[in-house]
Amino acid sequence: EVQLVESGGDMVQPGGSLRLSCAASGFTFSTSWMSWVRRAPGKGLEWVANIQRDGTEEYYVDSVKGRFTISRDNAQNSLYLQMNNLRAEDTAVYYCARGWLPDSWGQGTLVTVSS
Amino acid sequence: DIQLTQSPSFLSASVGDRVTITCRASQGISSSLAWYQQKPGKAPKLLIYAASTLQSGVPSRFSGSGSGTEFTLTISSLQPEDSATYYCLQLNKYPHTFGQGTKLEIK
Repeated sequence: EVQLVESGGDMVQPGGSLRLSCAASGFTFSTSWMSWVRRAPGKGLEWVANIQRDGTEEYYVDSVKGRFTISRDNAQNSLYLQMNNLRAEDTAVYYCARGWLPDSWGQGTLVTVSS
Repeated sequence: DIQLTQSPSFLSASVGDRVTITCRASQGISSSLAWYQQKPGKAPKLLIYAASTLQSGVPSRFSGSGSGTEFTLTISSLQPEDSATYYCLQLNKYPHTFGQGTKLEIK
């Protein structure tokens, strides 16, 4: 059974940083693209970033380019999202998902950016 | 960026009804479209990919169609557990983008 467990969500002040982690199990992590998707309070889903199997390709939504970095550790079956210079509009539940076409999702971790 | 516009944004229907949700893309995306269902407090669930392929384990009352710029998700006979918000997602070009969502209420 595919399991994805996000962690690292917290409340942080504007301009601050957070690193989200996603622990994967139940599938061959190293052969899967991985994605991050978020949902802000009262809003819809927003695709954030994805990363190729060996980490050599990364793609981002424009609003996070230069501030967020997606990475992975295939030896640890883990996905990460380093978030710097956080803004109020980054407040959301962040989901880790398996695949270029996200087909299995974690339960999400809440990031709140507020002073 | 490719914009996806879903209609309607809100839908109220009765058990047994046939329901259709439309997703229109601002430019052609071939068949690179997926549909998701999200219930409150839960993770999204993949229903349909490649515009019309039913994800394993999803009930056959769900179906998808379309290509290019216009796509539909149809629920042939609405069930109480189908109350949720539905999203389309285009994977044709980066950045991938979601529609704004359609909230489906059961009367």
